[in-house]
Amino acid sequence: KAGVTQTPRYLIKTRGQQVTLSCSPISGHRSVSWYQQTPGQGLQFLFEYFSETQRNKGNFPGRFSGRQFSNSRSEMNVSTLELGDSALYLCASSSDSSMGYTFGSGTRLTVV
Amino acid sequence: AQSVTQLDSHVSVSEGTPVLLRCNYSSSYSPSLFWYVQHPNKGLQLLLKYTSAATLVKGINGFEAEFKKSETSFHLTKPSAHMSDAAEYFCVVSDRRDYKLSFGAGTTVTVRA
Repeated sequence: KAGVTQTPRYLIKTRGQQVTLSCSPISGHRSVSWYQQTPGQGLQFLFEYFSETQRNKGNFPGRFSGRQFSNSRSEMNVSTLELGDSALYLCASSSDSSMGYTFGSGTRLTVV
Repeated sequence: AQSVTQLDSHVSVSEGTPVLLRCNYSSSYSPSLFWYVQHPNKGLQLLLKYTSAATLVKGINGFEAEFKKSETSFHLTKPSAHMSDAAEYFCVVSDRRDYKLSFGAGTTVTVRA
């Protein structure tokens, strides 16, 4: 059974640019969440989607957005990148949130 | 709202000795609780979960945790540490209503030979 796949694994972008990260959940999982991990702030919730609907959003500026497609794949977009957006971005999928989420290996974004 | 406090930022143990990672949680609803492990440059792996069934939960790789509602704790233990247990461990709470996980700050485990 394939796990959660995130692409790309590494990205280097320049301040002011925008970036799109992709996540393919485990087959059959309809819930997809995104988290940002930084040494200073730890793991913070970005947003969660279920059947193409955003059910919750964390405390991030509007530059951070996401969407989910009918096949449950999800993308997140960050516009007007800032140095502070450098982080590991983790995607997680679940069939039932009470049973836990399976995480991907993450996308390491570096903004220079 | 829910939150998690991991009481130790770093734990160092000798190989073959017990490991104890302490976690207290706060939740206004009946929570689900999890422990995840993260090895360097890797994603998060689920070790075990509590979802209102048995209070003593067994997970992978010999780890277990006990849910104590009166103490709002969910401590993680392992009887005998192995070198491969060196990693960062996260205690996580979800109240199932807002579809998000709230993470503790993490505990880094070092295992001495």
